[in-house]
Amino acid sequence: GIQVEQSPPDLILQEGANSTLRCNFSDSVNNLQWFHQNPWGQLINLFYIPSGTKQNGRLSATTVATERYSLLYISSSQTTDSGVYFCAEHTGGFKTIFGAGTRLFVKA
Amino acid sequence: DAGVTQSPTHLIKTRGQQVTLRCSPKSGHDTVSWYQQALGQGPQFIFQYYEEEERQRGNFPDRFSGHQFPNYSSELNVNALLLGDSALYLCASREYLDRGDSTDTQYFGPGTRLTVL
Repeated sequence: GIQVEQSPPDLILQEGANSTLRCNFSDSVNNLQWFHQNPWGQLINLFYIPSGTKQNGRLSATTVATERYSLLYISSSQTTDSGVYFCAEHTGGFKTIFGAGTRLFVKA
Repeated sequence: DAGVTQSPTHLIKTRGQQVTLRCSPKSGHDTVSWYQQALGQGPQFIFQYYEEEERQRGNFPDRFSGHQFPNYSSELNVNALLLGDSALYLCASREYLDRGDSTDTQYFGPGTRLTVL
């Protein structure tokens, strides 16, 4: 099955800094999502982005399906952005395969 | 419109006991999946239910079983609990929209944190 690799595994930022998180896939993707898991464990949908670019406030995401990667951009980071960011592929309407996540800590 | 709900939020059990976790999907969603998330790891797929039947299963032993009810809500049962079953258990419901460009999105509940002593 598809493998999902995320980098970097850990990231510490000063408030106000920008960052880029990367997700690489071993196979083509059709239903890629980015999630933010808050400190209480809730997985929050950020983007559904199997291809192209989307923006939502300070966050944007780009998926280049032909090169099998996706990027999540966080601009002007805030302490509330802290948590774990996951990319995941929902395969053929069945299971969702997650990467190991990027753990982000934003310092005030 | 309520999102995906799960109960209980926390649970403490001892080895060998049995546990039942519950999930109600988002309104209008008929497919429910369960995931186990160990500390520091990504969620791992347990199984998916659709039309009251298990449609796909991940690499989990038969101690993990489930059920889906006619109202699409679901239960996850774990028998003979082991220390290694301690984890966050997440439920997700599926939204599939086909309006030219189809989208297939998972929405997750807040999870049940299970501790096995």
